[in-house]
Amino acid sequence: SQQGEEDPQALSIQEGENATMNCSYKTSINNLQWYRQNSGRGLVHLILIRSNEREKHSGRLRVTLDTSKKSSSLLITASRAADTASYFCATDALASGSRLTFGEGTQLTVNP
Amino acid sequence: EPEVTQTPSHQVTQMGQEVILRCVPISNHLYFYWYRQILGQKVEFLVSFYNNEISEKSEIFDDQFSVERPDGSNFTLKIRSTKLEDSAMYFCASSIGTSAQQFFGPGTRLTVL
Repeated sequence: SQQGEEDPQALSIQEGENATMNCSYKTSINNLQWYRQNSGRGLVHLILIRSNEREKHSGRLRVTLDTSKKSSSLLITASRAADTASYFCATDALASGSRLTFGEGTQLTVNP
Repeated sequence: EPEVTQTPSHQVTQMGQEVILRCVPISNHLYFYWYRQILGQKVEFLVSFYNNEISEKSEIFDDQFSVERPDGSNFTLKIRSTKLEDSAMYFCASSIGTSAQQFFGPGTRLTVL
């Protein structure tokens, strides 16, 4: 598997439900960043979590990081149809300068 | 809120032609990046740039690619002789420091015919 792999690949839920997306990675990191991308559009930064942090919140978003398991999760609470997008985790590995390594992404569909 | 801008939004070119993709990073940022995303695939790192020189590049960034910061605001990616497989969305990003949040532009969709 590759650095920054998300699962599930696709997730379909009803409005109001919570959505959880997971990301696993292989190497030691400085930080992990979550991005959102609407179809064919740019990348919107959601949250950056540093390697010494375990949890971070931003509005309806909650990100956790477990460096011992090399994994992170993104929770979106009370989802809305407008949350429909692809979500990517990107790792800033310790040994590779500032380059971000992206995962394949999770396609989230929130049905009204 | 400051943002990264990119021009053009869409560029169509013939195979073998040179293209220059332009970016204006956020004004007080010091680190600049180019990434690309082939349709349906994940985002891939191309190059990072700091203090007027390349600080890191990927195996994708071969001799056909070059970057430049010609003045205090623009950051450009040049592809010397485009190939069909260069068709992708190209994203510019900038950050204030190393290992900081990277702000992405809206992308340039490059189509090579």
